[in-house]
Order: sequence, then structure tokens, then C-alpha cells
Amino acid sequence: QSALTQPPSASGSPGQSVTISCTGTSSDVGGYNFVSWYQQHPGRAPKLIIYEVTKRPSGVPDRFSGSKSGNTASLTVSGLQSEDEADYFCSSNAGSSSLVFGGGTKLTVL
Amino acid sequence: EVQLVESGGGLVKPGGSLSLSCAASGFTLTGYTMHWVRQTPGRGLEWVSSITSDSAFIYYADSVKGRFAISRDNAENSLYLQMTGLSPDDTAVYYCARGKLMAELEYWGQGALVTVSS
Repeated sequence: QSALTQPPSASGSPGQSVTISCTGTSSDVGGYNFVSWYQQHPGRAPKLIIYEVTKRPSGVPDRFSGSKSGNTASLTVSGLQSEDEADYFCSSNAGSSSLVFGGGTKLTVL
Repeated sequence: EVQLVESGGGLVKPGGSLSLSCAASGFTLTGYTMHWVRQTPGRGLEWVSSITSDSAFIYYADSVKGRFAISRDNAENSLYLQMTGLSPDDTAVYYCARGKLMAELEYWGQGALVTVSS
């Protein structure tokens, strides 16, 4: 199973919005509504911030939002804050027996 | 508080074996699907294996199929990963995680580093 495609980097100034894309195929992102997004700070474990394309776990700020169109999912971070600087990974169900991740995007807050 | 703590990582020679454990606390393992995911600097996150709550269904990534074995002991609240035939490509931080089958992984451990090198 091939990894999902994410841009290696993204950036924005404090207060701005930034969107990170996650492109797959009709066999994963396009075929299921089980797209998740994870935030990972250096030296820390990934943290779930979006699941089932658009849902946020309890405690995750509503500045984080998810969407999907066709084979591409997106994570938008609004009102950027310095603590949002981290790596972001997407994942998707890729059938009944496989889970696939994106390569990760390093978000820099300028 | 949900906690997952991996142990058993270390340095192993190519072709060798290693076993990882994941101790769960703050919840009862019974009733939850569990997973192993690994991470390398060059290849990012990679799903490795999943096991359903009653061990009835087990899944592996093609890259580890036939070499790795996932198991669990619900009575001990623990998850395991037995790794054999290790190669340098298996060098990674291995995370255990709790989550839905082939969907979101809601809790992760801190990871255990496995280094395969001669």
C-alpha cells in the first residue's frame, strides 16, 4: 500500500490560516470517510486531532478543521499560534485490512 | 488517565529477533482494538499490525507479514510484538496505540526504539 501524499512543508504567520493537503486514491482517501490527522511535536508521540474527516476529539481547539474532496483530504489550522508548529500526518483506511499514513508535513509558524 | 508504555526496544543484529511489550493502564484492554505503528525519519509513520479485542482478527502490513507476530494478554492488560528476521529497514521507533480498526488511533505510547545494525 503506497503512502498518502502530503507536502513536506507548510508555513504561516501567527493569526493566519494554513491548509495541508493529503492526497490518496479511490482505494483509500476517496473510498472511505476514515481520514484522520495527527499532530506531532519533536520527541513526542503523535496526537489525534481530527478523525472521520471532520470530527475533533474532546480538547482539540476548533481552530483545527478537516475536510475532503474526492481523493484529497485537507487539514486547516486557523488563527495560527506558535504552539501549532509541529509535524502533521494524515491517515486513511485503505480497505478492511490496511491503514495508510501520509509522509508528514512540517508546519512552521513564521 | 489512559497510558500506554512500550518496552523491549534495543539494538539487534540483522537476522535477529526482538520482542516489544506495551503495558496499558487507565483502561481495560478488553474491548479495544490495538495497533503497532512505527516511525523512521525517512519514511514517516507506517502502520505495522492490528489485533482486535478478542484476538479473532489480526492484520499485518505486507512489509512485516511472516516475520512479525502481534498478540495480547487482556488479563495482563498488555500488547506484544514479536519480531523476527529483522533487517536494517526495520529500524524505527515503534509505538503501540489504541484505536478503531483501520481508523483513528486515539491514544499512543511514547515509543520504543529498535535499531537493527551489525
